[in-house]
Amino acid sequence: EAQVTQNPRYLITVTGKKLTVTCSQNMNHEYMSWYRQDPGLGLRQIYYSMNVEVTDKGDVPEGYKVSRKEKRNFPLILESPSPNQTSLYFCASSLWRGSGKNIQYFGAGTRLSVL
Amino acid sequence: ELKVEQNPLFLSMQEGKNYTIYCNYSTTSDRLYWYRQDPGKSLESLFVLLSNGAVKQEGRLMASLDTKARLSTLHITAAVHDLSATYFCAVDNAGGTSYGKLTFGQGTILTVHP
Repeated sequence: EAQVTQNPRYLITVTGKKLTVTCSQNMNHEYMSWYRQDPGLGLRQIYYSMNVEVTDKGDVPEGYKVSRKEKRNFPLILESPSPNQTSLYFCASSLWRGSGKNIQYFGAGTRLSVL
Repeated sequence: ELKVEQNPLFLSMQEGKNYTIYCNYSTTSDRLYWYRQDPGKSLESLFVLLSNGAVKQEGRLMASLDTKARLSTLHITAAVHDLSATYFCAVDNAGGTSYGKLTFGQGTILTVHP
């Protein structure tokens, strides 16, 4: 089954304790992206990746890191989480071939609380 | 800085009626996407619009893009309860031949009543 898998689904942590949210897709997609969703602010892109070893900043990259060492994985790293990073996070992937196939498939989401 | 504005933000419709959601954006782009999110769920891609004048239809939903007016519309025809969800537009503002840098609208919460 084609899917984007995020782990964990729920996470409660404390300020300053490094954490990683994993994202994996089994569709051989080139493009992957991370978003956060906050009430009243909608969705905002954090980082995206066009392919292995190619990443770029979205609108709200501060406080986050990403890496794309393999095509299927795109982890989101919070080196020193702060309470303002409490949010619902979505990972997505897409073929992104420019021929109308730019359909993004989203993971189920990770709800993060930073105390 | 690219701004993407949807309106209305809240839409309460009767079943069987038609309505349009608007998505305005502030800088040049010819790539726009529509997504749907059910309460408590993830997002689902609805439409990919990649050029001026693009029109896509799926069931009771039709999306169009006017890049000169920097406007996309999502038209709902003969609404049914199953269309109740939040709808987001997103503009690709990577520029030139690059792609994938998306800015989303605030979302439109659609509720369809009997």
